[in-house]
Amino acid sequence: AQSVTQLGSHVSVSEGALVLLRCNYSSSVPPYLFWYVQYPNQGLQLLLKYTTGATLVKGINGFEAEFKKSETSFHLTKPSAHMSDAAEYFCAVSDYGFGNEKLTFGTGTRLTIIP
Amino acid sequence: SAVISQKPSRDICQRGTSLTIQCQVDSQVTMMFWYRQQPGQSLTLIATANQGSEATYESGFVIDKFPISRPNLTFSTLTVSNMSPEDSSIYLCSVGDRGNTIYFGEGSWLTVV
Repeated sequence: AQSVTQLGSHVSVSEGALVLLRCNYSSSVPPYLFWYVQYPNQGLQLLLKYTTGATLVKGINGFEAEFKKSETSFHLTKPSAHMSDAAEYFCAVSDYGFGNEKLTFGTGTRLTIIP
Repeated sequence: SAVISQKPSRDICQRGTSLTIQCQVDSQVTMMFWYRQQPGQSLTLIATANQGSEATYESGFVIDKFPISRPNLTFSTLTVSNMSPEDSSIYLCSVGDRGNTIYFGEGSWLTVV
């Protein structure tokens, strides 16, 4: 079975500082990996995804993530935090090695931006 | 990308009643998924709904409590039956597209009193 571990349920960074949200996965098949963002009182929005090919994936709003097979990681980064980045972030892995199948989610990381 | 509409967006329900949530997609999709997000928690898959077949439920979820319909390739409903305060959650519909991506609706925020 697939699983996702997000280290740090709460992360606080200063505005303009680097954002690093950690995600490690376990998968019995080559994984498809996703990061979603949930703003307060809203649904989930796709930030970026890794399927195959280039291991550095760029997403919306200046976020990117790097797939590291040897470390079974898919950490999310943004060079300079903005107040509007305050939200809940979820890492997810596709259960069957495809991108359009059901997902297993991590427990989420709440990102707070300090002015 | 797929655009997903859910109704209702929010509702306050009385204990013991049932509520049906609708999910409409702007394109034909084979698989639709229903997730639950309890307050302050992550997402948990309730069931997978394929058109023309019975929904497949995950461990801990049963058809009597969460009946699902999937009458065509663009629509599905999830009913939360005999609700209790523990059912207060966000219920999210999602679909997978041919571009290997899962998209989510805005969710239906239910509060049971």
